[in-house]
Amino acid sequence: DAGVIQSPRHEVTEMGQEVTLRCKPISGHNSLFWYRQTMMRGLELLIYFNNNVPIDDSGMPEDRFSAKMPNASFSTLKIQPSEPRDSAVYFCASSPGGLNTEAFFGQGTRLTVV
Amino acid sequence: SQQGEEDPQALSIQEGENATMNCSYKTSINNLQWYRQNSGRGLVHLILIRSNEREKHSGRLRVTLDTSKKSSSLLITASRAADTASYFCATDEGGSYIPTFGRGTSLIVHP
Repeated sequence: DAGVIQSPRHEVTEMGQEVTLRCKPISGHNSLFWYRQTMMRGLELLIYFNNNVPIDDSGMPEDRFSAKMPNASFSTLKIQPSEPRDSAVYFCASSPGGLNTEAFFGQGTRLTVV
Repeated sequence: SQQGEEDPQALSIQEGENATMNCSYKTSINNLQWYRQNSGRGLVHLILIRSNEREKHSGRLRVTLDTSKKSSSLLITASRAADTASYFCATDEGGSYIPTFGRGTSLIVHP
């Protein structure tokens, strides 16, 4: 397996534009997580899916952020409209689920909003 | 919210020395994990210790867990320059099985 695949690796966009980040989890993993990493706030959990269902989205900053998981092999995180303070590295991670909570991370998407 | 907090924030040592990092957390947990992150890369899982375990080894890594003190330590023995990275602990708050990360310890190993 190629591991968790995220795209794009880098994204530079203008304030107000819509941004969509994509993630392909490891096949067979039941849990998927989106995290955001900044120097100021560290690594924050944004949303957690289990079997494609959003279980905990309490970390989503505001209504501008939305996440979907239409099937077991694909998830998106959308920001609309984007703001400069959204600039960060966004990570997707998947894990087998249940008692096995070892998370496998993608390489991340570095988002810059200017 | 950060559940685990690592200490120290930064650590600089010479190759061959041991490196010890600590993690403290606030609520009950099912397990505690340690991850490593090289600059510009994703996190890589190092080791998981369950709440009923006290110590675990993996190669040059030794992890301890003290649930009474809500703390864990990661020891890297005979460090190498290639160990230079940030190290994070992750706990599952309240036994949720959702990894919640601390801010990490930045380790620099000088050759």
